[in-house]
Amino acid sequence: AQTVTQSQPEMSVQEAETVTLSCTYDTSESDYYLFWYKQPPSRQMILVIRQEAYKQQNATENRFSVNFQKAAKSFSLKISDSQLGDAAMYFCAYRTQGSGTYKYIFGTGTRLKVLA
Amino acid sequence: NAGVMQNPRHLVRRRGQEARLRCSPMKGHSHVYWYRQLPEEGLKFMVYLQKENIIDESGMPKERFSAEFPKEGPSILRIQQVVRGDSAAYFCASSPGGSDYNEQFFGPGTRLTVL
Repeated sequence: AQTVTQSQPEMSVQEAETVTLSCTYDTSESDYYLFWYKQPPSRQMILVIRQEAYKQQNATENRFSVNFQKAAKSFSLKISDSQLGDAAMYFCAYRTQGSGTYKYIFGTGTRLKVLA
Repeated sequence: NAGVMQNPRHLVRRRGQEARLRCSPMKGHSHVYWYRQLPEEGLKFMVYLQKENIIDESGMPKERFSAEFPKEGPSILRIQQVVRGDSAAYFCASSPGGSDYNEQFFGPGTRLTVL
């Protein structure tokens, strides 16, 4: 069974600085998808960025980028030029590609605080 | 195009009552997923449904919980004889389906409180 681990329960970053959130996963599959979701106090799940495992190039979305290391099963999120609005819970998620089910497996989350 | 809709947003039940949570997927989406988020935890998969079919219910407790996604109308997650441990946020997500990459779009969640 696949597992997702986020080892940082909480992180802090100064406004305008850069922060990296860690995520590791375990799987025997070769093809899958990885996601980072943001959950602000409203609890709405907001997709931040996605990565297809077969793509070697790291995904980037504006200030958000990932460092995807497939062999190491690592998928970290880097937030550049942090803003107060980035403060939220961040969840890493794994989605299987095959076997007829496309459920997400989430990590336990990292609470990001942005300091003014 | 409206997003995934869930109602009610907040639901309070006393122990032993029934809770019914509704999820209307995005237009054109035929796949629905239910997840549960306990306080201070990540989301945990419960069940995956397509129209009129349960595809994967491996995360659903064996007793008191059931889900359906009828041909017409919203998907329903039903919890019978609720207990305090059922208090959580329940999220629904939908996707267009198919075997290709399909992002799941999440609803705002229903927060269930059991007194």
